Amino acid sequence: DTGVSQDPRHKITKRGQNVTFRCDPISEHNRLYWYRQTLGQGPEFLTYFQNEAQLEKSRLLSDRFSAERPKGSFSTLEIQRTEQGDSAMYLCASTRTGTISNEQFFGPGTRLTVL
Amino acid sequence: DQQVKQNSPSLSVQEGRISILNCDYTNSMFDYFLWYKKYPAEGPTFLISISSIKDKNEDGRFTVFLNKSAKHLSLHIVPSQPGDSAVYFCAASGNTGTASKLTFGTGTRLQVTL
Repeated sequence: DTGVSQDPRHKITKRGQNVTFRCDPISEHNRLYWYRQTLGQGPEFLTYFQNEAQLEKSRLLSDRFSAERPKGSFSTLEIQRTEQGDSAMYLCASTRTGTISNEQFFGPGTRLTVL
Repeated sequence: DQQVKQNSPSLSVQEGRISILNCDYTNSMFDYFLWYKKYPAEGPTFLISISSIKDKNEDGRFTVFLNKSAKHLSLHIVPSQPGDSAVYFCAASGNTGTASKLTFGTGTRLQVTL
C-alpha cells in the first residue's frame, strides 16, 4: 500500500507533555498538509509544505505547535506543553503540484487525547 | 467564519433510493469543490469534485451539482447502498490565501438502511 501513513495512530498524554507525530506522504507528492479535526467538525487547515518549505501556517497553529519537513519527504508535527484543548484527530494529506481539482489524499490520522 | 456549511448533520435513506447531500458556501473565490467520505477510524477519502465553471459532474453512482448563483452544491448518490453509510464532507479550494488548502464543512452522516 503506497498511501499516506501516519504514526502513531493513537496517543494519550498528560497535560504539559510534548508529543510528536509523523506523516509519510505518497512518494511522488511534493505538497503536504496538516489538518486538525475535533468532534462534530470538519478538518481544519493547520499548515502546508511544498517540498521542504513551509508556505503557510493557520492562526490555529499556536506557538506551541511546530511542523517540519526537512528533506521534502516525511513531516513531523510537534506540540509542546500539551493542553486538553489539543485533544483532536490530526490528519495529514498530500498531493502533487498541478493536480487540477486539488484532490488531497489523507492518511488515517493520529488521535491525540490529552488528560 | 464558516465559509462552507453543511446544515444537515444526518440523513437516513433506504437502500436503492436516492441520497441527496447539500452544501452551501459563502466565498465566491472558491474554484473547486470536492466531496469526501469518511468512515470511523479512517481518514477522509476523495469521492468526486467539480470545477466552478461546471454545473454538473458525474462518476458512476455519484453526481455533484453546482449552482453558483445560489452558492450551493449537492451530491446525489443513486442507488444508495449500505456501504455508503459514512460521514460526507463538502470541501472547497481556491484563491483564499493558500491556494491549495481545503476548507471543509462540518459533515453529514448518511445512514443507508435495508
